[in-house]
This record gives sequence, C-alpha cells and structure tokens, in this order.
Amino acid sequence: DSGVTQTPKHLITATGQRVTLRCSPRSGDLSVYWYQQSLDQGLQFLIQYYNGEERAKGNILERFSAQQFPDLHSELNLSSLELGDSALYFCASSVDTGTGALETQYFGPGTRLLVL
Amino acid sequence: GDSVTQMEGPVTLSEEAFLTINCTYTATGYPSLFWYVQYPGEGLQLLLKATKADDKGSNKGFEATYRKETTSFHLEKGSVQVSDSAVYFCALLYNQGGKLIFGQGTELSVKP
Repeated sequence: DSGVTQTPKHLITATGQRVTLRCSPRSGDLSVYWYQQSLDQGLQFLIQYYNGEERAKGNILERFSAQQFPDLHSELNLSSLELGDSALYFCASSVDTGTGALETQYFGPGTRLLVL
Repeated sequence: GDSVTQMEGPVTLSEEAFLTINCTYTATGYPSLFWYVQYPGEGLQLLLKATKADDKGSNKGFEATYRKETTSFHLEKGSVQVSDSAVYFCALLYNQGGKLIFGQGTELSVKP
C-alpha cells in the first residue's frame, strides 16, 4: 500500500458527460501528479500540483482540468467525454522538499474510466 | 526530448530463469531512473531507483545499475518466480517540472 488513495476505483459513463476523479496523497506529501494510462499512448503525464498551485502541465486536453485543495487532496475533472478518454488514471504524490532534489513518486491504485 | 525505450514484450520465462529487461534513455542533464512494476489489475509500485551514474538500485532480488556511458538502466533478476509475472516500466525523472517519463512497459510472464 503506497498510502495514496483514489476514488472511485471504476467509473462507467457516456460520451459527452463529465466526471470527477479524486486523489488523496500520502501524509505529508505536497506534490500531486496525474497520469493517464491507455493502450495506444502508454503512461503519460497530465499535470502536477504543488501545495495548491499548478506546477507543470503535460499532455492534458483542454477538456480536462485539475485542482489541489487546501487539505492537499486533488481532483481531476474530465468533461465532454469521448470514447478515446477511456483509460486508467493514476494519481501519484511526492514529498517535494523544494530543494530541487528529485523525489520519488508513489502511485495510487488508479481509477479505471470507461466511456460508452 | 527526453524519452525511455524498453525491450518489447511479452517476455516468457520458466521459473528460476535469469531475467534481463533492457531499458535505455535519452535525456539532457542527469535524471534519476526508476523501475516500476504493475501487477495484474493493480496500480504502479516502485520497484527500485538510482539517482546518479554508477548507482545500483536493488529490491526483492531485482537489480539495475545506472550506466551513463551507455545511457542504460537494465533490470535483472537471477531467479524469477511465478509471482514476478507483471508489467515492468522503466522511467526517468527530470527535474523540469518533476514529471516521470515512462517507457512503453514490458510484460513478463513466468511459467512454473
């Protein structure tokens, strides 16, 4: 158990809908990362938040957005869903001491999204 | 840009065989290197890591050495077990934004 929790575990929805995925980082971790795992694209970085602020953006679609709340949990919002958005969405967290040192990321179990 | 390339899978071995999964990377600067493992139906678990050249990461009988001269981080295990069947991901972490860049994953299947 990495200490990172994600809900829900599975989500089935229809095209055009909007969903919210939730992540709670390990205790004490200030950074949260979102990744998408799909068969055709593999594992891709979407976005990073550090202590409530967006820090880095990867291959995240404009239909997707995220935020990190004062209690450090994070939510990934996916809207106007398309069939191709079906994937496993992972959240990860790291300590991030702010010193520039490269910190290990610990992953949650993922949310499997199926868009029908 | 930065990238990671792993050997294609699936790799099928008999129990107690020697395992090597090749991983090479392209990066500017000096990234940290990681191996993550994904068991069927589960999330990613950190297996081992190395943060600088010539470092050796090890865990649960798995080892990998950070080779700057060959830009490689090959995963090895002397004697695999059925329980090692999983997908293995090599990744690099570069300090520009802290994102992990993953290889495509290598599926390992160990038969009794």
